[in-house]
Amino acid sequence: DAKTTQPTSMDCAEGRAANLPCNHSTISGNEYVYWYRQIHSQGPQYIIHGLKNNETNEMASLIITEDRKSSTLILPHATLRDTAVYYCIVSSGAGSYQLTFGKGTKLSVIP
Amino acid sequence: GAVVSQHPSRVICKSGTSVKIECRSLDFQATTMFWYRQFPKQSLMLMATSNEGSKATYEQGVEKDKFLINHASLTLSTLTVTSAHPEDSSFYICSARAGTGESEAFFGQGTRLTVV
Repeated sequence: DAKTTQPTSMDCAEGRAANLPCNHSTISGNEYVYWYRQIHSQGPQYIIHGLKNNETNEMASLIITEDRKSSTLILPHATLRDTAVYYCIVSSGAGSYQLTFGKGTKLSVIP
Repeated sequence: GAVVSQHPSRVICKSGTSVKIECRSLDFQATTMFWYRQFPKQSLMLMATSNEGSKATYEQGVEKDKFLINHASLTLSTLTVTSAHPEDSSFYICSARAGTGESEAFFGQGTRLTVV
């Protein structure tokens, strides 16, 4: 699976949009971009995933660049409960579907 | 979304004893489940892939005789930490996929193991 690069940490004001970037310049054509988050001392929570089109669900939006070498997760109105470590993962989703976690981005939502 | 339940959420055991952790998919069948370990301030590390009805596949450096995995049904996988030592103290997390292709994985709430 392709490697991803994320900033170590970010701050966001409560109520504002949180934009979390991810670089995955070595992504291959059959690999998806997945986003998970982990709130302290809990298991990771699925947020969203996509292949090449932008995606939106009730939690977030995923914007993937046309060359697919980077993406941005957008939390439209961040709340204090969105404070977590956010992981961007690239995986083909085929076979046994292993997910390889990097260090992620620690997002702190500030009142 | 789909629910994966992990039990117990916390366990303290004495050094040398064994501990079993259960991972259940509550509303879907999972032919494959995954076990991760997470040390403080570190990311999740995949330990093994659990396949229903067959032997688990362990990642390099993970002792299969120490971390016994059983996936006896499509909704249950267990991880047994045998002869636990303080260095095995960690946060253990399981996950499972609800479907095929690129469908997302769902994670249990994790088990905090402390070996004293």
